[in-house]
Amino acid sequence: DAGVIQSPRHEVTEMGQEVTLRCKPISGHDYLFWYRQTMMRGLELLIYFNNNVPIDDSGMPEDRFSAKMPNASFSTLKIQPSEPRDSAVYFCASSLASPISYEQYFGPGTRLTVT
Amino acid sequence: ILNVEQSPQSLHVQEGDSTNFTCSFPSSNFYALHWYRWETAKSPEALFVMTLNGDEKKKGRISATLNTKEGYSYLYIKGSQPEDSATYLCALPAQGGSEKLVFGKGTKLTVNP
Repeated sequence: DAGVIQSPRHEVTEMGQEVTLRCKPISGHDYLFWYRQTMMRGLELLIYFNNNVPIDDSGMPEDRFSAKMPNASFSTLKIQPSEPRDSAVYFCASSLASPISYEQYFGPGTRLTVT
Repeated sequence: ILNVEQSPQSLHVQEGDSTNFTCSFPSSNFYALHWYRWETAKSPEALFVMTLNGDEKKKGRISATLNTKEGYSYLYIKGSQPEDSATYLCALPAQGGSEKLVFGKGTKLTVNP
């Protein structure tokens, strides 16, 4: 398997624009996670899905952020409108089963810069 | 919110040295602890998932122990090599049986040749 695939790898956009980040999890993995990494807060979970259903979105910073998983092989994280403080690296990860007992496999990340 | 403490924050060692660092967590309602290795400009990579008190896991020169009663895990690296330079993260479920992992800030290891 190619591992978790994310696109784009880098995104530079202007404040106010819509940004869509994409993720393809490892085939057969039931769980998908979206994380954000910043210097101040480290690696923090935004939302996760189990079998395409959002389970916990308490980490989503505000209504400008939304995530979908229309099928088992694709998920999007959308920011609309984007703000400079959204600049960070966004990781997608997947796990075979419950992340309590199973390791997570991380994608390469999308580095987002909002100017 | 679960408090996951890692120490030290950073560590510099010479090639060939053995080293260890700590992940501390509340000992109540323990379910599992994860260790990840994160090289600069790459993504985190799982090392171990530990669930039982007294667990010891090993992968090559890296090993980890777990003490759930006192709320800590040690990660050991024997004979450090420059390629071991990375940030080592530990993570635990946010609370009780939550599937949401909370990550510590990590220990950044630099191995000098």
